[in-house]
Amino acid sequence: EAGVTQFPSHSVIEKGQTVTLRCDPISGHDNLYWYRRVMGKEIKFLLHFVKESKQDESGMPNNRFLAERTGGTYSTLKVQPAELEDSGVYFCASSLTDSFGYTFGSGTRLTVV
Amino acid sequence: AQSVTQLGSHVSVSEGALVLLRCNYSSSVPPYLFWYVQYPNQGLQLLLKYTSAATLVKGINGFEAEFKKSETSFHLTKPSAHMSDAAEYFCAVSDPDNYGQNFVFGPGTRLSVLP
Repeated sequence: EAGVTQFPSHSVIEKGQTVTLRCDPISGHDNLYWYRRVMGKEIKFLLHFVKESKQDESGMPNNRFLAERTGGTYSTLKVQPAELEDSGVYFCASSLTDSFGYTFGSGTRLTVV
Repeated sequence: AQSVTQLGSHVSVSEGALVLLRCNYSSSVPPYLFWYVQYPNQGLQLLLKYTSAATLVKGINGFEAEFKKSETSFHLTKPSAHMSDAAEYFCAVSDPDNYGQNFVFGPGTRLSVLP
């Protein structure tokens, strides 16, 4: 089975620009999660989708971040406008409803200059 | 709130030596516990998990971890390090009463294996 796919793998943008990250979960996984790791810090939870609904978005840092999951399949995470402190690695993960443990994607490394 | 600490941001061992990566958690109830590994330029891969069954958990690649409630610990070990074990290792916890919700990760430990 295909794993969790994220793209782009790397993105370098200027401060103030917009970037959209995409995550394709494992087919049939209702749960989709976004996490990020800023430089030198822990991996932090951003939000959790169940199908197309946001179950928990308590980790979203501010309103410059917008996540969507139209149709309950792939998800996008848009950062607009990007700031320097948004640099880091953004991970997506998916799981079955009753699964123990996620399957993570390889992440998108975002660099804001 | 749950928290996870990992003693040592960087650990170096010689090839063939014992690997010991420490993880302590803070939780009001025994959580579910996980170890993930991130190899260079790859995603997070599940090594092993503890979900209230056997306290000694065996994972992939020869790793194992023991849940010790009295010490609130879940240290990761491997008897003999291999060069391919060089990676970053993350301990994580989740609340069993809210499984499916988010994980809390430790800060990670980077393991170097010296020839």
